[in-house]
Amino acid sequence: DARVTQTPRHKVTEMGQEVTMRCQPILGHNTVFWYRQTMMQGLELLAYFRNRAPLDDSGMPKDRFSAEMPDATLATLKIQPSEPRDSAVYFCASGPSAPLTRGGVVAKNIQYFGAGTRLSVL
Amino acid sequence: GIQVEQSPPDLILQEGANSTLRCNFSDSVNNLQWFHQNPWGQLINLFYIPSGTKQNGRLSATTVATERYSLLYISSSQTTDSGVYFCAVGGKRNDMRFGAGTRLTVKP
Repeated sequence: DARVTQTPRHKVTEMGQEVTMRCQPILGHNTVFWYRQTMMQGLELLAYFRNRAPLDDSGMPKDRFSAEMPDATLATLKIQPSEPRDSAVYFCASGPSAPLTRGGVVAKNIQYFGAGTRLSVL
Repeated sequence: GIQVEQSPPDLILQEGANSTLRCNFSDSVNNLQWFHQNPWGQLINLFYIPSGTKQNGRLSATTVATERYSLLYISSSQTTDSGVYFCAVGGKRNDMRFGAGTRLTVKP
């Protein structure tokens, strides 16, 4: 059963420490998205990639956040230095760029979400 | 950017009841999806529906792109339907924006 895998599932760290979150997209998917979910802001798009190239990271605080795809099977989101306000659940999602047929209907751009990384910065 | 509004924010139903969730968006979209976030936090794609009508079991969705809204229908609700339902829309760049969600509680 293909799924998006995120590690770690939970991370507790102290303010000022570096945090790295990893995502393994579904094999064959070439679009990857990073989202952050908080009670106050809801779900926010931080960055997304197509064919490993960053297409948009305007939702990401540039001074401390960075997102990369070193290869097609790994996407990373780093926070350095971390702050308490970064506490949130971080989701990775992947999707196929080419239209796929679902139930006989061509569907494009469906996103499949990982289980998320719950980050607490103390 | 595109604004997304969902209503109602909260909904409490008795098992077996039907419901309609609404998503309004402020601009034309190339992508519209409905998601269910279960009580454990997992986000599941329900529908990809930038226009038209689709049905999957007890769930169906309709998007009227020209009027910039989408509806999610849940019939014969079950306790397992509880959770938060999100509408997400994307423009040509596929930069998805999520609404604030509708929190559904189905009571036995």
